[in-house]
Amino acid sequence: DIQVTQSPSSLSASVGDRVTITCRASHGISRWLAWYQQKPGKAPKSLIYAASTLQSGVPSRFSGSGSGTDFTLTISSLQPEDFATYYCQQYNDYPRTFGQGTKLEIK
Amino acid sequence: EVHLVESGGGLVQPGGSLKLSCSASGFTFGRYAMHWVRQAPGKGLEYVSAISSNGESTFYAESVKGRFTISRDNSKNTLYLQVSSLSVDDAAMYYCVRHMGHDIWSYPPPSVDFWGQGTLVTVSS
Repeated sequence: DIQVTQSPSSLSASVGDRVTITCRASHGISRWLAWYQQKPGKAPKSLIYAASTLQSGVPSRFSGSGSGTDFTLTISSLQPEDFATYYCQQYNDYPRTFGQGTKLEIK
Repeated sequence: EVHLVESGGGLVQPGGSLKLSCSASGFTFGRYAMHWVRQAPGKGLEYVSAISSNGESTFYAESVKGRFTISRDNSKNTLYLQVSSLSVDDAAMYYCVRHMGHDIWSYPPPSVDFWGQGTLVTVSS
């Protein structure tokens, strides 16, 4: 299985901050990586696929980059509604493994 | 508007079985492959299973292979997951997720887009 290592596991930031979350795959996965946002008690929401393509309706302050083994999710200016847990997932191969998650908290 | 509504979860004893359902609306269900993803309480997301749009191709994570069966009834717009020989490690919220294509093995691989709200499986004696 392809292992996906996400960092940091938690992050404290303030409204208006720029934050970056990283994912590293144990094998090259081209650009087949997705990002999800999950708020407490809610289902995950799809944000980005193919490393950098925003799902419909996702604000442009979210962006993704990377290819091969190293990927990043950037939120350019944090809004109050962005405080949540973020997961990456590789879908180059089955099983479509997830990163461990990054909990983004208010500083 | 796409809606995915899971049901069928509940409390089951170790070794027991359940059949989870995911009712789809707002799109042509028979044109999309589907996935199941689970999340144990307080833990991260774990990939479980996938099925192609016509039901002919499936995939199972090693942790559930031989115990879980994914299926679908396109005439009823419903996805299923039969879960058997349950252990405490299977206790989780189970989410159905729409694949952005019809074939789970196509390349370039499609991602997923819409998630259901989940159904909770509790395993306890």
